[in-house]
Amino acid sequence: GEDVEQSLFLSVREGDSSVINCTYTDSSSTYLYWYKQEPGAGLQLLTYIFSNMDMKQDQRLTVLLNKKDKHLSLRIADTQTGDSAIYFCAEKNNQGGKLIFGQGTELSVKP
Amino acid sequence: DGGITQSPKYLFRKEGQNVTLSCEQNLNHDAMYWYRQDPGQGLRLIYYSQIVNDFQKGDIAEGYSVSREKKESFPLTVTSAQKNPTAFYLCASSPNRDRGVVWNQPQHFGDGTRLSIL
Repeated sequence: GEDVEQSLFLSVREGDSSVINCTYTDSSSTYLYWYKQEPGAGLQLLTYIFSNMDMKQDQRLTVLLNKKDKHLSLRIADTQTGDSAIYFCAEKNNQGGKLIFGQGTELSVKP
Repeated sequence: DGGITQSPKYLFRKEGQNVTLSCEQNLNHDAMYWYRQDPGQGLRLIYYSQIVNDFQKGDIAEGYSVSREKKESFPLTVTSAQKNPTAFYLCASSPNRDRGVVWNQPQHFGDGTRLSIL
């Protein structure tokens, strides 16, 4: 079945780059998404990438997709304390728009 | 402003009681979803609805029920059969369902309801 895996924790220093990794199993995935969740809040869509793309850049965010290895990453440049949150990757299931979520990576940014 | 509203923000359930969580959206989205979030387990799909008067079970539907009488509303009832209901519940919606074409269908989320047992 479909599965999405992420490491649970990442700690970086303010000003450094953060790289959050994700692997997925469904080779027919069409879109892949990154969401951010701050404490006690819902999920905020950060960015997405279509499966025929290798890279997408949006200000401080860079998404890299290696479709052969089914590996997705989110790079946050110049990480700030306000970036501390849980980050979820998700793949779109071809059956009616369902998303399959990873467990989430908790990013901790130290000053 | 368009968005998804979940209420209440905090809810307490007594043993043997059913409780209903509200989810309303004014984004004109066809599809709506309910997720349960437990620490370290990510999001698990409870129920989803692609269109009014139709809904499907997700991965953990036991002990829950839903209705979809209006496009804007997708309430979730946590029944007494759900023995471990303490969790953070998230509602989401997404635009147009597939019509033979692959659409980008990002889901938009509400701010969640935290349910606890008294």
